Amino acid sequence: EPEVTQTPSHQVTQMGQEVILRCVPISNHLYFYWYRQILGQKVEFLVSFYNNEISEKSEIFDDQFSVERPDGSNFTLKIRSTKLEDSAMYFCASKSFRGEAFFGQGTRLTVV
Amino acid sequence: GQQVMQIPQYQHVQEGEDFTTYCNSSTTLSNIQWYKQRPGGHPVFLIQLVKSGEVKKQKRLTFQFGEAKKNSSLHITATQTTDVGTYFCAGFTGGGNKLTFGTGTQLKVEL
Repeated sequence: EPEVTQTPSHQVTQMGQEVILRCVPISNHLYFYWYRQILGQKVEFLVSFYNNEISEKSEIFDDQFSVERPDGSNFTLKIRSTKLEDSAMYFCASKSFRGEAFFGQGTRLTVV
Repeated sequence: GQQVMQIPQYQHVQEGEDFTTYCNSSTTLSNIQWYKQRPGGHPVFLIQLVKSGEVKKQKRLTFQFGEAKKNSSLHITATQTTDVGTYFCAGFTGGGNKLTFGTGTQLKVEL
């Protein structure tokens, strides 16, 4: 069964450092997403991406965040200057033509 | 902005008891999806409902989409320990690509 792959599974970074979270969506999907989940809390929408551009973004997705699909397969989320409150689980998802979203295993980001 | 609330936030049941979680959106949804997240895991798609008043069943799980397309429910009959996890509803609004998740209901099943 096809799956969404995320790397790394865990990232520890110092406050103020840049991090890049990587995702390989399912190959024939066209819509990609980043979500974050602070421990035990809701799954928060960050951004959706279609046709090589952002289609929607949330208030959380400020100038510190960016996404790109550099080579047609990888889909990355960059946080330029991490803050303590960015510590969370980050999930990448891709959406099939039927509408169901497939989530990766997530990257646990810890900012110290 | 759109808000999707679920109640209850937590539910502890004895194995064999039934369980229901309710989902309410502040705006009309084009469709509703349900996901299950096991402890330490990622959300896994369960089902999608599209039509007003639609009811779908998956074994012991029954899903309903409200007539006004603003609410939904998930009912589990005779819970088992494998049902443990957090159940999220999620919805798209209009023609948008933003899938908004509900607040989730955490289910614990005790023997």
